[in-house]
This record gives sequence, structure tokens and C-alpha cells, in this order.
Amino acid sequence: AQSVTQPDIHITVSEGASLELRCNYSYGATPYLFWYVQSPGQGLQLLLKYFSGDTLVQGIKGFEAEFKRSQSSFNLRKPSVHWSDAAEYFCAVGARTGGFKTIFGAGTRLFVKA
Amino acid sequence: KAGVTQTPRYLIKTRGQQVTLSCSPISGHRSVSWYQQTPGQGLQFLFEYFSETQRNKGNFPGRFSGRQFSNSRSEMNVSTLELGDSALYLCASSLAGAGQGGYGYTFGSGTRLTVV
Repeated sequence: AQSVTQPDIHITVSEGASLELRCNYSYGATPYLFWYVQSPGQGLQLLLKYFSGDTLVQGIKGFEAEFKRSQSSFNLRKPSVHWSDAAEYFCAVGARTGGFKTIFGAGTRLFVKA
Repeated sequence: KAGVTQTPRYLIKTRGQQVTLSCSPISGHRSVSWYQQTPGQGLQFLFEYFSETQRNKGNFPGRFSGRQFSNSRSEMNVSTLELGDSALYLCASSLAGAGQGGYGYTFGSGTRLTVV
């Protein structure tokens, strides 16, 4: 079965600083990997996804993520954080199990200091 | 293009009652999944439907059920509500076809269910 670990419950960064959110996954085969963002009281929005190809993937809102098979990691990065990036971020791993099932990590809450 | 629509947005029910939540996916999306989100448990997978068939089910009791109609709209039902069922219920639609995946989800804004 697949699983996802986001080691940081919350992170605080200053506006304009760089950001890296960590994600480690467990799955026997090559997984589908995703990052989502959730603003308070809202559903989740897909930032980016990876299955194959270039291990550095670009997403929306200036985010990127790098897949490292040897470390079972899929960390999310942004070079310069804006106050509007404050939200909760979820890493997810998807796998074919009959149909298709996506498991989410516990999330990392991002706070942005002015 | 319209997004995923969930109704109602907010709901208050009494213990022991039942509730039905509705989800209209993005036009052309035939896969619909449901998640329960709570502060303590995070996002928990409930079930996935594709072409009116349940393809996957999470580890929830039989009180939780769902269905999908021929127009891809989906409903989930919770019978004999318990206080612990209070949560944000999220519906997500996807282009994923049978046996495929990796497109990612488009989520609705959710239904906030409070059981008193």
C-alpha cells in the first residue's frame, strides 16, 4: 500500500524568502506524485504532478518539485514566497489498485511573515 | 468551464439522522472520488466511482455509501450519523479513465457537515 509523510506540520518563512516543503512517499512501483494547496474553507487545488520524464516538474503559481527516487522524496520548492502563498500544502501519491486511489499526506501549514 | 460543484455547502444534522451530499463533476470528467477531511485524521479516502461503478473503497463503515449516475454526478450518503462524522466532505473529479490515473483531481469546495 502507498503512504505519504510530510515531516513538517507547519513552516514559517519571510515574504521573499525561498521555500522547500518536504515529502517522502512509500510505494513499491513508480508512483504518481502530486502537490495540492488548500486555502481556508476551500477545496484543494492541484499545483503540479509527476509520473515519468524529467524529475524536475514545474507547476502553477511559480512552484516546482523534484522527484528523487533514491530518497523516495518529492519536495516542493518556490524561490520567492508571497504573502498569498500562506495556505496548507498536501503531498499525495496515487496508485492503480483496481481503480485509482490517491493517498494524501497530513499536510504542511505555511505561514508567511511580512 | 464550470468547476466541481458540491451541494449543500453547510449542513447541520442530529445524531442518528442520515444525510445525502451531492457532487457534480467537471463536464467530461467521468471519475469522481470522495474524501473526508478532519483536523485529526486529515484527508481520508472514502470511495471512487467511474462510469457508475465503484472502483475503490476506503476503510469506512458501511454507513457510508455512494453512487454515481449516468451523467457522472455523484452522491454520498451517511446513515445513522455519529458525532465523529462531523467533517468537511470533499468531492474530486478527474479525467482518469478505467485503469488509468495520474491526471490529478479537481476538487469542489466541500460540504461542511456538523453532527450535533
